[in-house]
This record gives sequence, structure tokens and C-alpha cells, in this order.
Amino acid sequence: KNQVEQSPQSLIILEGKNCTLQCNYTVSPFSNLRWYKQDTGRGPVSLTIMTFSENTKSNGRYTATLDADTKQSSLHITASQLSDSASYICVVIPYSGGYNKLIFGAGTRLAVHP
Amino acid sequence: GAGVSQSPRYKVAKRGQDVALRCDPISGHVSLFWYQQALGQGPEFLTYFQNEAQLDKSGLPSDRFFAERPEGSVSTLKIQRTQQEDSAVYLCASSLVDTDVNEPYNEQFFGPGTRLTVL
Repeated sequence: KNQVEQSPQSLIILEGKNCTLQCNYTVSPFSNLRWYKQDTGRGPVSLTIMTFSENTKSNGRYTATLDADTKQSSLHITASQLSDSASYICVVIPYSGGYNKLIFGAGTRLAVHP
Repeated sequence: GAGVSQSPRYKVAKRGQDVALRCDPISGHVSLFWYQQALGQGPEFLTYFQNEAQLDKSGLPSDRFFAERPEGSVSTLKIQRTQQEDSAVYLCASSLVDTDVNEPYNEQFFGPGTRLTVL
């Protein structure tokens, strides 16, 4: 079964600090890998999208990396803000040859404290 | 509206009741997806529509689950004879075109979800 594993499950950091979230996957072959932010009570919102040939993608204070050889991705958050408190979900899209069917990790719950 | 909307936002049902969850995708979006998200977990795929055609329903957990999109816009997810294990957040997402691996940047936009609690 294709899987997407994320670590840590939860994380608490102080405002202004940096953090890195990890994602390991076994989906193969895959089309692209995405990181989503999900605020409590809301739907996921896309942060970054990387194809298998890309190894880094930035979106403001968010930087995602991808190592397709080791099947690992990370999301680095710089200078964290209170509004960064949310779940961060790693999503892998298999090379299905058709429509995109997203395979989600369980997410990392990040809490940023003042 | 600018985004995907879902209604109701919250639904409490007694075990055995039927429920209907509605999704209004972004106008003009061809593709529509339903996902189920259990507490503390990531969403899991339920079913996919391209316009009014249901192309994949492999994620529906049982024949009590039924989805339709008769006119290619609004979609309804119906759950018959609800069970406690059906309690979850049901997310709807839409995308502009028929997604394929040659369009990796094709974005799926999610609604806020419907939280279903079955007592």
C-alpha cells in the first residue's frame, strides 16, 4: 500500500524560531509532491507543489525540499509567526496516468507560542 | 463566491439516519473530489467526478455511501443508515481542468468541510 509518513506528529515552538517538518513516502512512481497547511476547522490550502525533477520550492517563509532518490521531503518554516499554528500535511500524487488522486500524510500539528 | 463552499458545516445524526452533504465547487471547475478526514488523520480519497461523470468511486467505504453531480456543478454525498464509524470531516475539492500527470501544478481547492457526528 502506498504510504506517506510524517514526523513529528506534533511540535511546539516559540514565535520567531525556525522549524523543519519531515515527510517520507513510498509512493512510486509519483507525479508530484505537495505541502498543505490546514487551519483548524478549514480545508487544506496548498503551500508548495514540486514535480519529481524539482528539489526545492519556496513560498515566502516556507521552503520545501525533495529528494526523490531517498523519497524524502521536508518543509522548513523560517521566523515562525503565531498564524503558522496549523496542521501541515504532505501529499503525494501517484503517476496514475489519469486524474490526480491525492495521498495524504497524517500531518504535523504545529503550535507557535508567544 | 470565490471558493468552494460546503453545507452544512456541522451535522449531528442519530445512528441509522440518512444524511446528505452538499458541495458547491468553484464555478467552471471540471473536476470535483470528495475526501473523508478522521480526527487527527489526513484526508482519504472517496470519489472523483469529471463534470457529471463519476470516474472513480473506489474510495467509498461501503454501499451506504453514494455521490452524485447530476449537472456537472453542485455535488451531493449521501450516507445511508449512518454508523458511528462514519463520524469524520467530509471535504470537497475542485480543480479547473481534468487533472493529469502532465499538469502537476493543477491546483485542487478545498472547501471548509462538513463535520459529521453520528451518535
